[in-house]
Amino acid sequence: DIQMTQSPSSLSASVGDRVTITCRASQPVSSWLAWYQQKPEQAPKFLMYTTSTFQSGVPSRFSASRSGTDFTLTISSLQPEDFATYYCQQYNTFPFTFGPGTKVDIK
Amino acid sequence: QVQLVESGGGVVQPGRSLRLSCAASGFSFSSHGMHWVRQAPGKGLDWVAVVWYDGGNKFYADSVKGRFSISRDNSKNTMYLQMDSLRAEDTAVYFCARDYGQGAGYFDYWGQGTLVTVSS
Repeated sequence: DIQMTQSPSSLSASVGDRVTITCRASQPVSSWLAWYQQKPEQAPKFLMYTTSTFQSGVPSRFSASRSGTDFTLTISSLQPEDFATYYCQQYNTFPFTFGPGTKVDIK
Repeated sequence: QVQLVESGGGVVQPGRSLRLSCAASGFSFSSHGMHWVRQAPGKGLDWVAVVWYDGGNKFYADSVKGRFSISRDNSKNTMYLQMDSLRAEDTAVYFCARDYGQGAGYFDYWGQGTLVTVSS
């Protein structure tokens, strides 16, 4: 199975901060990577796919990129509604696998 | 609008069975693959299974292979997860999720989840 890791596992940040989350795949997954946002007691929300194609309605402060098997999700200016846990997911190979999540909370 | 509503969760003893349902509305159900994803209490997301848009292909996580069975009834806009030989480690909120396409592999809409607790 392809193992996904994320760093950091958690971070504390302030409104307006730039935040970067990294996701690494244990094997190549090409660009077949998605990102999700989950707030407490809610279902995950789909953010983007194929590394950097964002779902309609996702604010432009979110961006994403890929370098080999390393993927990054960046929030350019953190807003109050962005405090959540973020998960990456590879869909290159069965079984699909998620990263362990990065929790972004308020400093 | 797209709606996914799970049902069938509850408390069940180890070794017993449970069937979950996911009722879909607001989109062409037969055009999309459908997935089950679970989340143990306080833990991350764990993909469980997928059924292709036409029911023709099904894939499972290793941890549930041989014990769980995914299916769908396109005439009823409903997907199912038959869970047999349940174990304590199957305790989780089970989400149904719509595949972006017929079997693209990522999930653009999610239900609110149904809690399955396996305990004696």
